[in-house]
Amino acid sequence: QKEVEQDPGPLSVPEGAIVSLNCTYSNSAFQYFMWYRQYSRKGPELLMYTYSSGNKEDGRFTAQVDKSSKYISLFIRDSQPSDSATYLCAPSGDGTGRRALTFGSGTRLQVQP
Amino acid sequence: NAGVTQTPKFQVLKTGQSMTLQCAQDMNHNSMYWYRQDPGMGLRLIYYSASEGTTDKGEVPNGYNVSRLNKREFSLRLESAAPSQTSVYFCASSEWQASSPLHFGNGTRLTVT
Repeated sequence: QKEVEQDPGPLSVPEGAIVSLNCTYSNSAFQYFMWYRQYSRKGPELLMYTYSSGNKEDGRFTAQVDKSSKYISLFIRDSQPSDSATYLCAPSGDGTGRRALTFGSGTRLQVQP
Repeated sequence: NAGVTQTPKFQVLKTGQSMTLQCAQDMNHNSMYWYRQDPGMGLRLIYYSASEGTTDKGEVPNGYNVSRLNKREFSLRLESAAPSQTSVYFCASSEWQASSPLHFGNGTRLTVT
């Protein structure tokens, strides 16, 4: 079993739709949860960074963490064509001092105008 | 702000040739990383350097060597390139604390024929 799993997509939605991107992980010790956005031919960039369970909102983006089920979600409201990218989740902070992040393989999102 | 700069952006090698990928960051980060990204495999850690003077193997270190030249620079060397090393290589940096977010460069696209 991979440590972090994501549906690869592509997920295609019309402009203005609400998008739900999901990620599961196997290590129950993870405490920090990050979402990265990667545009084509670019490096990943940090989008959301949350600690422990609960929700965090930033503009049109909401990150949700359910540690009891080891499930992470990213919601995008009023999706725009500029949101078309690959979204990678990266849980971390398992208490071992492990420094490097382990990423999901990413979900490709296409927002159609 | 330059952030993380990688050179070259593109490279084509023949099997058996060697090359060095360069990476420099201007954020005064202690930790630096090399990842490779392949379709369906996500980002996989090759090597990382928690601080100047230290390097450690990641998930897929075979066929690679690294040098942490100073706090700013971290290079990745392929001594004898193989077609299996065709990939997109990303350098990243972070603060010293474990679970700190990573800041990525825009990658080097390497093709080995």
